[in-house]
Amino acid sequence: DTGVSQDPRHKITKRGQNVTFRCDPISEHNRLYWYRQTLGQGPEFLTYFQNEAQLEKSRLLSDRFSAERPKGSFSTLEIQRTEQGDSAMYLCASSGLSGIEQYFGPGTRLTVT
Amino acid sequence: TQLLEQSPQFLSIQEGENLTVYCNSSSVFSSLQWYRQEPGEGPVLLVTVVTGGEVKKLKRLTFQFGDARKDSSLHITAAQPGDTGLYLCAATTSGTYKYIFGTGTRLKVLA
Repeated sequence: DTGVSQDPRHKITKRGQNVTFRCDPISEHNRLYWYRQTLGQGPEFLTYFQNEAQLEKSRLLSDRFSAERPKGSFSTLEIQRTEQGDSAMYLCASSGLSGIEQYFGPGTRLTVT
Repeated sequence: TQLLEQSPQFLSIQEGENLTVYCNSSSVFSSLQWYRQEPGEGPVLLVTVVTGGEVKKLKRLTFQFGDARKDSSLHITAAQPGDTGLYLCAATTSGTYKYIFGTGTRLKVLA
């Protein structure tokens, strides 16, 4: 299967802990996106990379959030000092250079207790 | 703030019925996508439309992009229980690659 993969699929953490999620995009795709989806809502854009460069960040991405894509392949999203409001599904997507069609991974469900 | 509003929010119908879901905005979009999402999974791409007035068919699903590229509709003919899910429209504007997602339409098709 050469689709977008995300790890872990589920994460339960206590408030104040740090968490890191990984996304592996479709291999020939050079754009990678992170979105957050809360229950009953559509996904909201967080940030995107073209190769290793982070080109756009949403205001939703507070100082506690950081994303990297060090070699232009996989990406990580870290949340420091998690809060209950961070509980959500974190979705990763990738696209080719046209950027028109984004293909999503299965998501990482984060629960902060 | 660009918003994509979908209607209806919820729809429960019997197998075999037809339905239409709408996606509306006051903004002009470069492209518009429709996705279906099942609980606990990521959205799955159904179709992309880029030209005003464009109509695309995918088996029992018909997608239309408005002439002014501000709205879209998804029509399902003879709905089946396997069509159950959350339908999301997503769009991009000129100069950016990020998606703006609609509010979603949760469809339930009863056997």
